[in-house]
Amino acid sequence: GQQLNQSPQSMFIQEGEDVSMNCTSSSIFNTWLWYKQDPGEGPVLLIALYKAGELTSNGRLTAQFGITRKDSFLNISASIPSDVGIYFCAGQYGGGSNYKLTFGKGTLLTVNP
Amino acid sequence: DAGITQSPRHKVTETGTPVTLRCHQTENHRYMYWYRQDPGHGLRLIHYSYGVKDTDKGEVSDGYSVSRSKTEDFLLTLESATSSQTSVYFCATLAGGTDTQYFGPGTRLTVL
Repeated sequence: GQQLNQSPQSMFIQEGEDVSMNCTSSSIFNTWLWYKQDPGEGPVLLIALYKAGELTSNGRLTAQFGITRKDSFLNISASIPSDVGIYFCAGQYGGGSNYKLTFGKGTLLTVNP
Repeated sequence: DAGITQSPRHKVTETGTPVTLRCHQTENHRYMYWYRQDPGHGLRLIHYSYGVKDTDKGEVSDGYSVSRSKTEDFLLTLESATSSQTSVYFCATLAGGTDTQYFGPGTRLTVL
């Protein structure tokens, strides 16, 4: 099956710093998604990417769909304490009745005020 | 917000007992999913549904069954719960015309 490698596994940064995390796949994806999960909550969609090379921003967040369709990155600029949480990448490769996501194992972000 | 609710939100049960988790959505989405989340494993797909009475297995389907008798409800059943099924379970739906899944708040299940 599809494998997603997400890195880093965890990050500990100071408030105001920029953050970068990425995901790589052994296979091509049609869609890349980035989610954030707060403790005790379900993952919440941050950014969706649908085309190779696409660069999309959502406030302080920027994500890109890699040209090879096998990777994606997420940047967070000027981090703040509420950015704390687990960030997941996910890729979708199916069609027809096969709309399934494969998830990375997550990046745990800690922001020190 | 995709109008997804899960019930119960927390459950403690004993090994060998049957357990049913419910996912309810209000957006009339065709696709619904059940995941489990465990430390070190991230989110893993258990089963999914692509329409009423249409379901298929995910990567960790052993020990689980599902049913979807109407669009808004997707049930996950553990016929005989085991301690290895202690986990947090998330339901998700797929927004029509996109590849974007939206998640419910989760159910924390503990099997003693």
